[in-house]
Amino acid sequence: KAGVTQTPRYLIKTRGQQVTLSCSPISGHRSVSWYQQTPGQGLQFLFEYFSETQRNKGNFPGRFSGRQFSNSRSEMNVSTLELGDSALYLCASSLASSVIPGQFFGPGTRLTVL
Amino acid sequence: AQSVTQPDIHITVSEGASLELRCNYSYGATPYLFWYVQSPGQGLQLLLKYFSGDTLVQGIKGFEAEFKRSQSSFNLRKPSVHWSDAAEYFCAVGGGSNYQLIWGAGTKLIIKP
Repeated sequence: KAGVTQTPRYLIKTRGQQVTLSCSPISGHRSVSWYQQTPGQGLQFLFEYFSETQRNKGNFPGRFSGRQFSNSRSEMNVSTLELGDSALYLCASSLASSVIPGQFFGPGTRLTVL
Repeated sequence: AQSVTQPDIHITVSEGASLELRCNYSYGATPYLFWYVQSPGQGLQLLLKYFSGDTLVQGIKGFEAEFKRSQSSFNLRKPSVHWSDAAEYFCAVGGGSNYQLIWGAGTKLIIKP
């Protein structure tokens, strides 16, 4: 089974631009979560989708949004980029409707905002 | 408040020595506990998880962890480390109808030859 894939792996953007990141979960997984990882703040939960519905959202501004498609693939969008948005964005997929099975992570998208 | 504490930012051990990484948690409901490992430039890999039952959990790569409810701890151990174990280790807690994991700050493991 293929693992969680994220595209692109690396992105460089400038302040004020917007960016869209993509995540394809493991086949059969319906839950997709997004995390932001920075040296200062560590791993922070962004949001989680299950069957195209956002069920939980972390404490991030509205510039961060996401969606999930019927095939469980997910995208997250960050508008009006700020320097502080530079981070590794990790996507995780899970088989069931909670974190119980344990989440499988993709390699991440490294976003650099200049 | 829900939180996970990994008190050691860095740990250095010699190759072949034993390892214990500490994790303490604060969680209102029955906790589900996880250890993940992250190699440089990589995503996170699940090492092991505890939901219920036997409090000593075996994971991949020779790791194990013990859940101690009275101490709110879930420490990770390995009897003999290998140079390839050098990475950052994260403890996380979740549970119930919560769809997110609460993460520790991570412990960076350095292996001395």
